[in-house]
Amino acid sequence: GAGVSQSPSNKVTEKGKDVELRCDPISGHTALYWYRQSLGQGLEFLIYFQGNSAPDKSGLPSDRFSAERTGGSVSTLTIQRTQQEDSAVYLCASSLPVLETQYFGPGTRLLVL
Amino acid sequence: QQQVKQSPQSLIVQKGGISIINCAYENTAFDYFPWYQQFPGKGPALLIAIRPDVSEKKEGRFTISFNKSAKQFSLHIMDSQPGDSATYFCAAGNSGNTPLVFGKGTRLSVIA
Repeated sequence: GAGVSQSPSNKVTEKGKDVELRCDPISGHTALYWYRQSLGQGLEFLIYFQGNSAPDKSGLPSDRFSAERTGGSVSTLTIQRTQQEDSAVYLCASSLPVLETQYFGPGTRLLVL
Repeated sequence: QQQVKQSPQSLIVQKGGISIINCAYENTAFDYFPWYQQFPGKGPALLIAIRPDVSEKKEGRFTISFNKSAKQFSLHIMDSQPGDSATYFCAAGNSGNTPLVFGKGTRLSVIA
């Protein structure tokens, strides 16, 4: 079946611009996660959605970052007023209820000039 | 408290050799320890995972060893192959759907 998809695959933007990154999770997966992977670093947790519960936003680095998940499926991560330090690969993952295995998408490579 | 420390940062192993990657965690509440494999341009994919009720889990050439008292776990890749060349991440989490805490990764190169 189809895996987690993310778009765009690459995004180049200018400092100060807003960007939106999209994630389509695997059908039926109620949990959805956003992580950030910077060069030479591990995966940094950003935000987590579980069903209809309030999202866990504890990993968002600043108020310029926000995310929403519509209809329990597609999610959009928005970065406002992008900064050069926001350049990274943004990864989305989803998982089935209760089970821990997280399935990752290919990521969106964001470059802020 | 939430850190997972991974070593080495990079590793070069001869084909047929054993690759060993180590991780240490601090939070004793963690009860799920997966390893992810990532190829360039791809997202991480689950390789193998262990829970603290066992000290070892083996799947094919991949083995996780777990030491609860030392709060350490390691990945062993037996008979390493060039196709195993990738970045490996250890992680830790809690049962159920919770975000994982990842190590910084180990870049493995298996040379012929």
